Amino acid sequence: AQKVTQAQTEISVVEKEDVTLDCVYETRDTTYYLFWYKQPPSGELVFLIRRNSFDEQNEISGRYSWNFQKSTSSFNFTITASQVVDSAVYLCAPGGSQGNLIFGKGTKLSVKP
Amino acid sequence: GAVVSQHPSWVICKSGTSVKIECRSLDFQATTMFWYRQFPKQSLMLMATSNEGSKATYEQGVEKDKFLINHASLTLSTLTVTSAHPEDSSFYICSARTSGRPYNEQFFGPGTRLTVL
Repeated sequence: AQKVTQAQTEISVVEKEDVTLDCVYETRDTTYYLFWYKQPPSGELVFLIRRNSFDEQNEISGRYSWNFQKSTSSFNFTITASQVVDSAVYLCAPGGSQGNLIFGKGTKLSVKP
Repeated sequence: GAVVSQHPSWVICKSGTSVKIECRSLDFQATTMFWYRQFPKQSLMLMATSNEGSKATYEQGVEKDKFLINHASLTLSTLTVTSAHPEDSSFYICSARTSGRPYNEQFFGPGTRLTVL
């Protein structure tokens, strides 16, 4: 069964620091999707990225970048020059067999001014 | 596009009452809808999967007689928490999938905070 581990429960950084959020997953599927979501205190989920396991290229979107390493089953997320507005819980989620998502426990990021 | 709404956004009820939560896909047809639950400082856990016109599939440990799910149309699914108790207090969030999109892609509603007194 799919499983995801976000080992960092909480991270606190000062504004403008770079921060990397780790995600390690387990899956028996040969083809799968991986997702990252941001969950602010309001609770709603903000979609950040979807990655197909076939595509191992790293991706950059503004201050956000993702490092996908299929060989180590990791899909890490880096925020460059963090801002206070980045404070939230970040959830990594591989796709489940029913089309659902398997969520990790999340990493709570606090960015202090 | 791809907007999912949930109603109500929050609800407070007395123990023993039933609460209905609606999940609507506003601008697309949702072939599958998922219901997740999130306890404080915990992750989102899948409760059930529902396909339009068929019975929901519940995850292990989720009581189907307590959490009634109806997916009567391609745009509406409802979750009814029957005889709610304080331990049912949680954040409930739905998501919807549509055909022709990547398999696990889904669009989430804003969630419903349920507090049972």
